[in-house]
Amino acid sequence: DTGVSQDPRHKITKRGQNVTFRCDPISEHNRLYWYRQTLGQGPEFLTYFQNEAQLEKSRLLSDRFSAERPKGSFSTLEIQRTEQGDSAMYLCASSWDRGRDGYTFGSGTRLTVV
Amino acid sequence: GEDVEQSLFLSVREGDSSVINCTYTDSSSTYLYWYKQEPGAGLQLLTYIFSNMDMKQDQRLTVLLNKKDKHLSLRIADTQTGDSAIYFCAERLYSGAGSYQLTFGKGTKLSVIP
Repeated sequence: DTGVSQDPRHKITKRGQNVTFRCDPISEHNRLYWYRQTLGQGPEFLTYFQNEAQLEKSRLLSDRFSAERPKGSFSTLEIQRTEQGDSAMYLCASSWDRGRDGYTFGSGTRLTVV
Repeated sequence: GEDVEQSLFLSVREGDSSVINCTYTDSSSTYLYWYKQEPGAGLQLLTYIFSNMDMKQDQRLTVLLNKKDKHLSLRIADTQTGDSAIYFCAERLYSGAGSYQLTFGKGTKLSVIP
């Protein structure tokens, strides 16, 4: 296993367009997390899945943000009608069970909205 | 509260020890973590400590936990130029229904002077 993979690494989009990011977690991990990191800040929790169930989504920034994890494997994060304030690094992480040993993060997708 | 506080910058000479400090506010945190982030990359888990421990050592890294003062520190011995990065402190918080999440500080940027 090569760790947590995220695609694409970089995305430039025009304001108002929809974007979708993909995350492939470590195969043995049943929990998957999405975080957002803006410049000069630490990662901010958005949502998480246990297998295919989305157990926490109240931290998603607005109803323009949605995430899925069909079949409990890879996950997608979609942002509709992007705004300039959505420009950030979007990080995915995975863990086994409750993640006491810590989460393994991917390299992130950097989104720039112009 | 869920605030994790860190000083923003630290500069040390190569070969010296670095000490990065962190305070957290939630006494129910059971696990505390240190992550490293290099420019343009995701987060790399360095080490973690369980709240019933005072100290944990892992090669050049020493973590000290003062639970009474809610203070966590990371000491890097014999600091090298490759240690230059941003270091994040994170606490694991229970958010209900079997859900845990990591809450991060803003990060401490460590600069190592050759």
